[in-house]
Amino acid sequence: AQKVTQAQTEISVVEKEDVTLDCVYETRDTTYYLFWYKQPPSGELVFLIRRNSFDEQNEISGRYSWNFQKSTSSFNFTITASQVVDSAVYFCALSEVNDYKLSFGAGTTVTVRA
Amino acid sequence: EAGVAQSPRYKIIEKRQSVAFWCNPISGHATLYWYQQILGQGPKLLIQFQNNGVVDDSQLPKDRFSAERLKGVDSTLKIQPAKLEDSAVYLCASSPGTGGGVTEAFFGQGTRLTVV
Repeated sequence: AQKVTQAQTEISVVEKEDVTLDCVYETRDTTYYLFWYKQPPSGELVFLIRRNSFDEQNEISGRYSWNFQKSTSSFNFTITASQVVDSAVYFCALSEVNDYKLSFGAGTTVTVRA
Repeated sequence: EAGVAQSPRYKIIEKRQSVAFWCNPISGHATLYWYQQILGQGPKLLIQFQNNGVVDDSQLPKDRFSAERLKGVDSTLKIQPAKLEDSAVYLCASSPGTGGGVTEAFFGQGTRLTVV
């Protein structure tokens, strides 16, 4: 069963618009970790943010912010005032404390047009 | 701090040929992962090592794929013989922890394999 679902396959915006990426996850563990990774055209997966299951406080880090809601099993990610350099594929991932791997969603391709 | 190193970056082979990929994780990281990423999909775990022991290889096609991690440091992933459907990017990642739950994982740039 798929543990991480990213329903949006592609998003295209104009520079300076905000972009929100949706992520829904499935787990039976009470302790788990959620991640967002960015994959630019160069191919390397770049770590952006991590959240653990017992901390639902939403935060902002620079132009990035996230909305973690356990009640709906969602972990959405927002890029504020998007820039062309934000164009990439973004992956949501889950790690369960009783597992030893990252399970990734299918990814959302973000294109920011100048 | 040096990141995860992988080589080669690109490889083109004919079907039924053999190929090997190499990964050098971040120094001191106990856990090493090999992921396969088919175009348009998220990465899928092939095998996970903790030091030089295998933790999870449930999704590794063992009839053609093999991997080893000698002395708990470098790792190689081999495909023999390759099939067209093996065309993908092979990502290596490492993590410092050994306990349950991944709190951080660092990825290399990957090897893009094309099987023709």
